[in-house]
Amino acid sequence: QSALTQPASVSGSPGQSITISCTGTASDIGFYDYVSWYQQHPGTAPKLIIYNVATRPSGVSTRFSGSKSGNTASLAISGLQSEDEATYYCCSYANDITFVFGTGTEVTVL
Amino acid sequence: QLQLQESGPGLVKPLETLSLTCSVSGDSIATSNYYWGWIRQAPGKGLEWIASVYYSGRANYNPSLKSRVTISVDKSKNQFSLELTSVTAADTAVYYCAREGRYKGYELKDDYFVMDVWGQGTTVTVSS
Repeated sequence: QSALTQPASVSGSPGQSITISCTGTASDIGFYDYVSWYQQHPGTAPKLIIYNVATRPSGVSTRFSGSKSGNTASLAISGLQSEDEATYYCCSYANDITFVFGTGTEVTVL
Repeated sequence: QLQLQESGPGLVKPLETLSLTCSVSGDSIATSNYYWGWIRQAPGKGLEWIASVYYSGRANYNPSLKSRVTISVDKSKNQFSLELTSVTAADTAVYYCAREGRYKGYELKDDYFVMDVWGQGTTVTVSS
């Protein structure tokens, strides 16, 4: 099971919106609506920000939103803030057994 | 409030066995619909799901690591553990334990397949 493909980096100015893509296959993203997204600041554990493609856990900002089309999932961040500077990972359930993560995208706030 | 805490040696010699334990507090490990899993992150790299276990002992493994991994649960101690045999430098990583939802509801919105609560992670270095 190969890692899901994400762009290595995405940047934006404060207040702008950005989108991070996550491309998988018909065995993971394309088959299951179990895509999640995690935010990881340096030296800390990943934090869940989206699950089931587009559901935000309680307490997560509404500036984060998720979607999926075919084998590609996306995370959008609106009203970019300095605190959003982090690495973001997508994750999908796969093959009825495993979870597979994306390669990670480093978000820079200019 | 659910909390997970990893513990284990920070240094393991090549070809030896890496053993880690995750202590769960704030809830019982014998909770329906949740598995308990391990994820690792090599230095400067992405996340890799390793395995997860239900309180009954039923386990799921990453096929790429399955031959070297054993995951187990101790309900009496509210802990679960990971063993990784024949380690090499490639196994050097931060190891996280996490609660893993694995259940299907009556509707899609009730399905829950996600790692939602994570420990802080423990660094394991493989070196002689």
